[in-house]
Amino acid sequence: RKEVEQDPGPFNVPEGATVAFNCTYSNSASQSFFWYRQDCRKEPKLLMSVYSSGNEDGRFTAQLNRASQYISLLIRDSKLSDSATYLCVVNGAGGSEKLVFGKGTKLTVNP
Amino acid sequence: DVKVTQSSRYLVKRTGEKVFLECVQDMDHENMFWYRQDPGLGLRLIYFSYDVKMKEKGDIPEGYSVSREKKERFSLILESASTNQTSMYLCASSLLGAVNEQFFGPGTRLTVL
Repeated sequence: RKEVEQDPGPFNVPEGATVAFNCTYSNSASQSFFWYRQDCRKEPKLLMSVYSSGNEDGRFTAQLNRASQYISLLIRDSKLSDSATYLCVVNGAGGSEKLVFGKGTKLTVNP
Repeated sequence: DVKVTQSSRYLVKRTGEKVFLECVQDMDHENMFWYRQDPGLGLRLIYFSYDVKMKEKGDIPEGYSVSREKKERFSLILESASTNQTSMYLCASSLLGAVNEQFFGPGTRLTVL
């Protein structure tokens, strides 16, 4: 099983749609979880951290299920500017400073 | 604003050349990282450093070395470039602590001919 697995997509959705991305991770000792966003030909940037209780930032909601080793990202009311690749990121075991990146899920929001 | 800069956006080198990629961060971060990103493979960690003169191998260190003589600067060295090292190289930095955000530089697109 790969360390961090994501559906590569691509996801093509109309403006205003709700879209959900899923991610699974293999290391049960991982403690920190993130979603990063990478625009075309740009560097990755942190979108949001993912907390055990789930967290929301505007139109974005992240959920973590430790028992299933599963992370999700929900985007509501999609905008054209949400078009990007979304990377699921998990830290290594034992509080490691190293992050393990999923290969990313590409989203295109169409007018 | 955190700023991570990389010495070149695009670089073309020949097989066998020694290549230096430089990364500088201005936020006094302890951790610095070098990744390469390839289509279909995602981001893969080459090396990281958590302090001056300290380094740890990442997932794919073969063919690479690093140098961290000053806290703000982390260099990636390709001792003898090969065509399979053609890639996008990304540098990142973060504060010490696993929950901290990594800030990335704009990347260097290296082509080895």
